[in-house]
Amino acid sequence: DAGVIQSPRHEVTEMGQEVTLRCKPISGHNSLFWYRQTMMRGLELLIYFNNNVPIDDSGMPEDRFSAKMPNASFSTLKIQPSEPRDSAVYFCASSPGHEQYFGPGTRLTVT
Amino acid sequence: ILNVEQSPQSLHVQEGDSTNFTCSFPSSNFYALHWYRWETAKSPEALFVMTLNGDEKKKGRISATLNTKEGYSYLYIKGSQPEDSATYLCAFPRGQAGTALIFGKGTTLSVSS
Repeated sequence: DAGVIQSPRHEVTEMGQEVTLRCKPISGHNSLFWYRQTMMRGLELLIYFNNNVPIDDSGMPEDRFSAKMPNASFSTLKIQPSEPRDSAVYFCASSPGHEQYFGPGTRLTVT
Repeated sequence: ILNVEQSPQSLHVQEGDSTNFTCSFPSSNFYALHWYRWETAKSPEALFVMTLNGDEKKKGRISATLNTKEGYSYLYIKGSQPEDSATYLCAFPRGQAGTALIFGKGTTLSVSS
């Protein structure tokens, strides 16, 4: 298995633009997690899904952020409109149970 | 509010030194304790998942112990090597398997040759 796949790996966009981050979890994993890593706050959970259903989105910063998981092999995290303070590394992880497997992350820069 | 604390925040040792760091977590409603290794410019990689009080896990020169009653885990590295340089994260799940992890801020280890 190729592991968790995220795209793009790097994204530079201007303030106000829409950004869509993509994740393909490991096949057979029934949980998917979106995290954001910043210097100030470390690794923080944004939202997670079990069996494609959103379970907890309390970590989503505000209404500008939304996430979907239309099927077991794909999830998106969308930011609209983006702001400079959204600049961070966004990780997707999938899990078959306890252990979580992280993707390589998407480094987002909003200017 | 669930909180996971790690200490020290950073650590610098010489090659060959042995070292250890601490993770503190809530002792009530314990499900599991995770340790991850996070190298610069890479993604976190699972080291151990520990579920039983008194558990001791080992992978090469790295080992971890768990005390669920008092809410702490130690990670030990024996004979540190430069390739051990990384941030070591511990994480505590909010619930049973499949639930979100609450991560500590990590201990950043730097090993000089």
